[in-house]
Amino acid sequence: KQEVTQIPAALSVPEGENLVLNCSFTDSAIYNLQWFRQDPGKGLTSLLLIQSSQREQTSGRLNASLDKSSGRSTLYIAASQPGDSATYLCASGGTGFQKLVFGTGTRLLVSP
Amino acid sequence: DVKVTQSSRYLVKRTGEKVFLECVQDMDHENMFWYRQDPGLGLRLIYFSYDVKMKEKGDIPEGYSVSREKKERFSLILESASTNQTSMYLCASSFRGDYEQYFGPGTRLTVT
Repeated sequence: KQEVTQIPAALSVPEGENLVLNCSFTDSAIYNLQWFRQDPGKGLTSLLLIQSSQREQTSGRLNASLDKSSGRSTLYIAASQPGDSATYLCASGGTGFQKLVFGTGTRLLVSP
Repeated sequence: DVKVTQSSRYLVKRTGEKVFLECVQDMDHENMFWYRQDPGLGLRLIYFSYDVKMKEKGDIPEGYSVSREKKERFSLILESASTNQTSMYLCASSFRGDYEQYFGPGTRLTVT
């Protein structure tokens, strides 16, 4: 059974810093890996989706990488801003009806 | 823009009550999902549906049932609410064959 882990559970950085969020998964037979953002008390917003055949995806200041062989994905945020403060979740997509398995998230706080 | 709406943002119910949570999407998505989110446990899949009147159990279906009579609407039913069902409930939808899920804003349910 796939297990997805995110470490650390919380991260606090000053504005302007570049940072990396980590995601690891136990079963490398994934179809894709997604990163989501969740603001307090809200639903999830999809940020990036990396297909299993890809190594990385970029959107603005965000870059996500995928290394299936090591069971790891990273989300790189460049020049962090206070508006980036949120919880970031990764999720692996496996077989069957496009189900996702989620990590427990990293809560990011960017201080001005 | 894809829109997924949930019937209530906050709900307070008593133990033993029957509870209905509704989710509506406007993008003609085939797949719909119900998750619950708890601190330290992340998002866990309760039920999903890949077509009208079709449903599949997720990882934690006990104590829940679902109904999908129309393509755009997916209901989660708590037959007899218990305090351990106090949680944030999130609905999501996606196209068949597409892993990118779109989430509603969530319903925070408290059972007293």
